Amino acid sequence: SAVISQKPSRDICQRGTSLTIQCQVDSQVTMMFWYRQQPGQSLTLIATANQGSEATYESGFVIDKFPISRPNLTFSTLTVSNMSPEDSSIYLCSVDSREQFFGPGTRLTVL
Amino acid sequence: EDQVTQSPEALRLQEGESSSLNCSYTVSGLRGLFWYRQDPGKGPEFLFTLYSAGEEKEKERLKATLTKKESFLHITAPKPEDSATYLCAVGKSGSEKLVFGKGTKLTVNP
Repeated sequence: SAVISQKPSRDICQRGTSLTIQCQVDSQVTMMFWYRQQPGQSLTLIATANQGSEATYESGFVIDKFPISRPNLTFSTLTVSNMSPEDSSIYLCSVDSREQFFGPGTRLTVL
Repeated sequence: EDQVTQSPEALRLQEGESSSLNCSYTVSGLRGLFWYRQDPGKGPEFLFTLYSAGEEKEKERLKATLTKKESFLHITAPKPEDSATYLCAVGKSGSEKLVFGKGTKLTVNP
């Protein structure tokens, strides 16, 4: 299994600002995933991030709103841009090594 | 469209009272059926992967089974520390993506 850390663990942000979430893995992985978990809901995949290529976004999510970087095989960032209260969620990164393992999540509150 | 439906949404048990959680799924080509446990404020913790109908896996008080249409997570003689939300997800053949159900929130009272 992989050990995954995320920063920050939580944040409270003002409407219209942006937040970058970092995800660090303790081993090299090909694919990293970013999910959103809204209050009372399950996990929804935002995008898949492969090193050396553009991220692949799911329906309903766009690069301008959720830009992703994947500079190497152990690290990725997700930016939530021009935030509104509807972006208040837990954001999770995961990695796939036969099974998907998840980070602890970033709890974002937008006022 | 790939879909995962979990029932019940919430389940309250007394300590020692065994029960089962259900996960119904539709997917065109199953790569695997995954069970996770999620505690409040934490990321999902991997429990099991099931790959084909008839497969069973066990871990402590948990046993997961799989048919062509659904999976069950059986909890035998649960303890309060088993209280959590249990998530089911399916992976599709040829894809690394997972589709999650909404989860079952399990509460085990002492």
